[in-house]
Amino acid sequence: DSGVTQTPKHLITATGQRVTLRCSPRSGDLSVYWYQQSLDQGLQFLIQYYNGEERAKGNILERFSAQQFPDLHSELNLSSLELGDSALYFCASRGRLSTDTQYFGPGTRLTVL
Amino acid sequence: DQQVKQNSPSLSVQEGRISILNCDYTNSMFDYFLWYKKYPAEGPTFLISISSIKDKNEDGRFTVFLNKSAKHLSLHIVPSQPGDSAVYFCAARPNYGGSQGNLIFGKGTKLSVKP
Repeated sequence: DSGVTQTPKHLITATGQRVTLRCSPRSGDLSVYWYQQSLDQGLQFLIQYYNGEERAKGNILERFSAQQFPDLHSELNLSSLELGDSALYFCASRGRLSTDTQYFGPGTRLTVL
Repeated sequence: DQQVKQNSPSLSVQEGRISILNCDYTNSMFDYFLWYKKYPAEGPTFLISISSIKDKNEDGRFTVFLNKSAKHLSLHIVPSQPGDSAVYFCAARPNYGGSQGNLIFGKGTKLSVKP
C-alpha cells in the first residue's frame, strides 16, 4: 500500500459527459501528479500541483482541468469526454524535495462508451 | 517523439536466471532515472533509482546500470523469481526549467518468470 488513495476505482460513462477523479496523497506529501495511461502506452504526465498551486503542465487537454484543495487532496476533471479518453488515470504524490520518489495510487479506470 | 524507450514489450525468463530489462533515452537533460514495477489492477510501485552522476545502484536482487554516453540504462534482476512477473516501467526526470519532478515514462516491458 503506497498510502495514496484514488476514487473511484472504475468509472463508466458516455461521450460528452463530465467526470471527476479524486486523489488523496500520502500523509505529509504536498505534491500531487496526475498521469494518464492509455492502451499500450506508457504513463503520460498531465499536471502537477504543489500545496494548492499548479506547478507544471504536461500533455493535458484543454477539456481537462485539475485542482488541489487546502486539505491537499486533488481532483482531476474531465469534460466533453471522447472515446479516446478511455484510459487508466493515476495520481502520485511526492515529498517536499524534487528528489523524493513519487508514490502512485491504484488508479481509476475510465471507460467512455 | 518518445524520449524514453523500452524497445522490448515482453521478456520471458526462467526462474533463478537473470532478467535484464533495457531502456534508452534521448534527452541529455535527464538527471534521475527510476524503475517502477506494475501488477495488473495496481498502481506502479517504485523499485530502484539512479542519479545521472552514478553508473550503478544496487538493492538486493535488483541492480540498475547507467551508461550516459550511450544514453542507456538497464535493470538486472538476479535471481529472477515468479513473483517478479509484472510490467516494468523505466522513467526519467528532466532537469530543466519548468520541470518539477514530473517523470517521463517508457511504454513498459512485461516480464514473465517461469517456474
